[in-house]
Amino acid sequence: GENVEQHPSTLSVQEGDSAVIKCTYSDSASNYFPWYKQELGKRPQLIIDIRSNVGEKKDQRIAVTLNKTAKHFSLHITETQPEDSAVYFCAASPDNYGQNFVFGPGTRLSVLP
Amino acid sequence: DVKVTQSSRYLVKRTGEKVFLECVQDMDHENMFWYRQDPGLGLRLIYFSYDVKMKEKGDIPEGYSVSREKKERFSLILESASTNQTSMYLCASRVTGGHQPQHFGDGTRLSIL
Repeated sequence: GENVEQHPSTLSVQEGDSAVIKCTYSDSASNYFPWYKQELGKRPQLIIDIRSNVGEKKDQRIAVTLNKTAKHFSLHITETQPEDSAVYFCAASPDNYGQNFVFGPGTRLSVLP
Repeated sequence: DVKVTQSSRYLVKRTGEKVFLECVQDMDHENMFWYRQDPGLGLRLIYFSYDVKMKEKGDIPEGYSVSREKKERFSLILESASTNQTSMYLCASRVTGGHQPQHFGDGTRLSIL
């Protein structure tokens, strides 16, 4: 089955700097890759996602890149702000009926003022 | 906007009790999921359901069962609660079809004494 690894497990950056979180997956059939942000005490919320036929997607300060050949994808946050502090989860999913997601273990991002 | 509602935010039960965690979604989603979230381990899938009365085991089903009698409701049952089931439990739902995210509830923090 699918296995998703995520690095680093913790990340501290100064406000205004960029943050990068990397994930690798094992199943070449996976073709949808969402990223979730979970603030303390709150539900995980989707922040960006990418399909396997796309190499990069951007939404304001957040971008995701995908390398299908190497089976890895990354989340990039530019101009970080204190409210970006949270745990971030990547996930991989085949595009099949009833299939579920496999999540990475999470990255705790701290943005220092 | 999708709403996934979990019946309790916090729950305290005793070892050996039968525990019910309830989840309701209001978007007519076919697929529903139960995850367990523990520090450093990310989200681990317990069970999922892709239709009424249908269920599939996830990665860690031991000690749990589920019930889906109606499309909007998915219940997680701890048959005989044990202290190692103390955790955060998250419910999610998802429409069937390509490249769609899962939508999460707020979670239930369950403590087994």
